[in-house]
Amino acid sequence: AQSVSQHNHHVILSEAASLELGCNYSYGGTVNLFWYVQYPGQHLQLLLKYFSGDPLVKGIKGFEAEFIKSKFSFNLRKPSVQWSDTAEYFCAVNSNDMRFGAGTRLTVKP
Amino acid sequence: GAGVSQTPSNKVTEKGKYVELRCDPISGHTALYWYRQSLGQGPEFLIYFQGTGAADDSGLPNDRFFAVRPEGSVSTLKIQRTERGDSAVYLCASSPYNGDTQYFGPGTRLTVL
Repeated sequence: AQSVSQHNHHVILSEAASLELGCNYSYGGTVNLFWYVQYPGQHLQLLLKYFSGDPLVKGIKGFEAEFIKSKFSFNLRKPSVQWSDTAEYFCAVNSNDMRFGAGTRLTVKP
Repeated sequence: GAGVSQTPSNKVTEKGKYVELRCDPISGHTALYWYRQSLGQGPEFLIYFQGTGAADDSGLPNDRFFAVRPEGSVSTLKIQRTERGDSAVYLCASSPYNGDTQYFGPGTRLTVL
């Protein structure tokens, strides 16, 4: 079955620490890849996306993600997190319909 | 411009009742999606529309769930004979075409007592 796996359920970091959130998927064929973020009390919004081209994509607020086709992975990174990055992060894969991972809750301590 | 809107924001109902949840997509978006999100989980795909037709309804859990989009804009998700297990946040999203970025609404929190 098609699936999206996010390895970390809850990550706790101090401000200025580096972040990497893992995402793996099990789809064959062409996929579009997304990271969405949900800040407390807000609705889901797009962080970044990959459709084709350069596998290293940059999104809003200093986030980036790298698509590694051979590993079926699309990991999210940020060199230095801020307290305001505290949120839930969802990886999503669209082949014919969109499937989301279970999410990773990020807590950044000031 | 206006984003995706959903009404009501909260709905409390009793087991066995019928509910309707409404979604107003971004104007001009041809694709519309419904998801269900339970606490601690990611959005679970239910159904998506391309225009007026349901292009993929494979995520609907059973025949108590039904959705329509009669004019290719507003959509209604209908749940018959609600059960306590239907309690969740129901999310709607729209996109210019299937596969593109989806823009999400704030969701409807459904509580079945």
